[in-house]
Amino acid sequence: GNSVTQMEGPVTLSEEAFLTINCTYTATGYPSLFWYVQYPGEGLQLLLKATKADDKGSNKGFEATYRKETTSFHLEKGSVQVSDSAVYFCALSRAGGSQGNLIFGKGTKLSVKP
Amino acid sequence: NAGVTQTPKFQVLKTGQSMTLQCAQDMNHNSMYWYRQDPGMGLRLIYYSASEGTTDKGEVPNGYNVSRLNKREFSLRLESAAPSQTSVYFCASRDSQLYGYTFGSGTRLTVV
Repeated sequence: GNSVTQMEGPVTLSEEAFLTINCTYTATGYPSLFWYVQYPGEGLQLLLKATKADDKGSNKGFEATYRKETTSFHLEKGSVQVSDSAVYFCALSRAGGSQGNLIFGKGTKLSVKP
Repeated sequence: NAGVTQTPKFQVLKTGQSMTLQCAQDMNHNSMYWYRQDPGMGLRLIYYSASEGTTDKGEVPNGYNVSRLNKREFSLRLESAAPSQTSVYFCASRDSQLYGYTFGSGTRLTVV
């Protein structure tokens, strides 16, 4: 079946450090891939997405590249800020019908210290 | 502001009590979803509605029922609450053409 595996947290970084959160997936066909962010006490917000192999999603300094050969969609940011502290979820969606439902990883909590 | 509105934001129930979580979206989305979020478990799909008039079970439907009242509203009902249903519940909707979800801000439910 379809599944998403992302690195265990929590991840603690100093401000301006480089961030990588690993995400790999299992799916038949060609899923769309997403990163969502959840700030404390809030719902999930779409951070970025990619819908086909080699696509790069980007937003707010975050990037992720859809790598079909390694079935990965790792999230990166060159210089994190305290305001980036949140929980990050990787997710996939197959096109059409019930397969279009999002399947989430378990989330990775990021804490950025000043 | 356009989006997904959930009520209530917080609720405490006693075991065996019933309640309905409300969700409404004003984006004219076809599909709506109910997830629960538990520590270390990520988000798990309870029920979804691909379009008005249809509902389907997700990964963890036991103990819940849903109603897609119209295109805007999708409610989740707990008929007899149990402590295992203590969780944060999120409603979401989706534009079927774009695949992205819009989430509500959640309902934190505690069953004692």
